[in-house]
Amino acid sequence: QKEVEQDPGPLSVPEGAIVSLNCTYSNSAFQYFMWYRQYSRKGPELLMYTYSSGNKEDGRFTAQVDKSSKYISLFIRDSQPSDSATYLCAMSGGYGQNFVFGPGTRLSVLP
Amino acid sequence: GAVVSQHPSWVICKSGTSVKIECRSLDFQATTMFWYRQFPKQSLMLMATSNEGSKATYEQGVEKDKFLINHASLTLSTLTVTSAHPEDSSFYICSACGTGDSGEQYFGPGTRLTVT
Repeated sequence: QKEVEQDPGPLSVPEGAIVSLNCTYSNSAFQYFMWYRQYSRKGPELLMYTYSSGNKEDGRFTAQVDKSSKYISLFIRDSQPSDSATYLCAMSGGYGQNFVFGPGTRLSVLP
Repeated sequence: GAVVSQHPSWVICKSGTSVKIECRSLDFQATTMFWYRQFPKQSLMLMATSNEGSKATYEQGVEKDKFLINHASLTLSTLTVTSAHPEDSSFYICSACGTGDSGEQYFGPGTRLTVT
């Protein structure tokens, strides 16, 4: 079993749809959870980070962490074509520790 | 947010030559930087963890003598690909840990290496 699992997609949705992206993980030591957006041929851009369980909202983005289920989600409301990118989840046990990345989900938002 | 830069953004070199890639944290100090490699349509693969003033820690399967990492200051880490071969062609991305307790990583824009 991989340490972090993520559906690679591709996921295609119409503009304005609510997008749900998910990752599952197996290491209960993970405490920090991140979502990155990566456009083609660019470095990943940090979108959201959360510590432990709970929800965090930032504009159209909401991140959820359920440590009991080892499951994290990123919701994108009112999706836009500019949201078309690969979304990577990442998690680590603490400061200075390397992150383990999911394989990424390719999202296409169609106008 | 914190800014991390990489130089060069794209380099083409001949097989057998060495290439140095720089990673700089522009507005914060980073005691820890990471180097990743990414093949097309694949996720990032951690190559090594670089701590300022000490030797880098390499992931299993990554050749230390081929990928030389130097973290000479709190704002600069370098990756040198020695005796590059076409199979080393890839997208190399560095990241630096922020100073906050969350330890979030900020990524550089990446360096595309093409070895002919």
